[in-house]
Amino acid sequence: DIQMTQSPPSLSASVGDRVTITCRASQDIRNDLSWYQQKPGKAPKRLIYGASSLQSGVPSRFSGSGSGTEFTLTISSLQPEDFATYYCLQHISYVWTFGQGTKVEVK
Amino acid sequence: QVQMVESGGGVVQPGRSLRLSCAASGFIFSNYGLYWVRQAPGKGLEWLTVISYDGSNKYYADSVKGRFTISRDNSKDTLYLQMNSLRVDDTAVYYCANLQPHGDSPFDYWGRGTLVTVSS
Repeated sequence: DIQMTQSPPSLSASVGDRVTITCRASQDIRNDLSWYQQKPGKAPKRLIYGASSLQSGVPSRFSGSGSGTEFTLTISSLQPEDFATYYCLQHISYVWTFGQGTKVEVK
Repeated sequence: QVQMVESGGGVVQPGRSLRLSCAASGFIFSNYGLYWVRQAPGKGLEWLTVISYDGSNKYYADSVKGRFTISRDNSKDTLYLQMNSLRVDDTAVYYCANLQPHGDSPFDYWGRGTLVTVSS
């Protein structure tokens, strides 16, 4: 199965900061990757699909990039509602896998 | 509007079985492959299994292969997860989901989750 390695596991940031989260795939997944945001007690919400396409309704401060094995989620200017945990998800194979998650905390 | 509602969670002893159900509405159930995802307390998301739109194809994560079985009843718009030989580390919130990341208008629908606690 394809393994997804996400980093960092957590980060501390302030409102207005630029935040970058990385996911690395164990093999080429082209651009078959989504990014999710999850808040405590809630189901995940997709932010990005196809590695770089913004899901409808998601603020433009979120962006994704990468292809093959290296992917990045960037929040250009962190807002109070963005403190949450973020996950990547590969969906190129029949068996999908999530990254381990990155918790974005208040500095 | 779209709803996916899980049921069947609870407390169960190690080695026992449990069946989760997921009642869906608001979309054409029989058109889509459907998923189960779980989250252990304080841990990350874990993709478990998928079933094709007609039930003919099923795939599993290694962690549940041979113990869990996904199925569906398209006449009842209901998805199932039969969980056998449960272990303490199967304790988690289990989500059913309709995850469609491809195409011109990808979408995601998730249930609110049902908690399964495996404990003696």
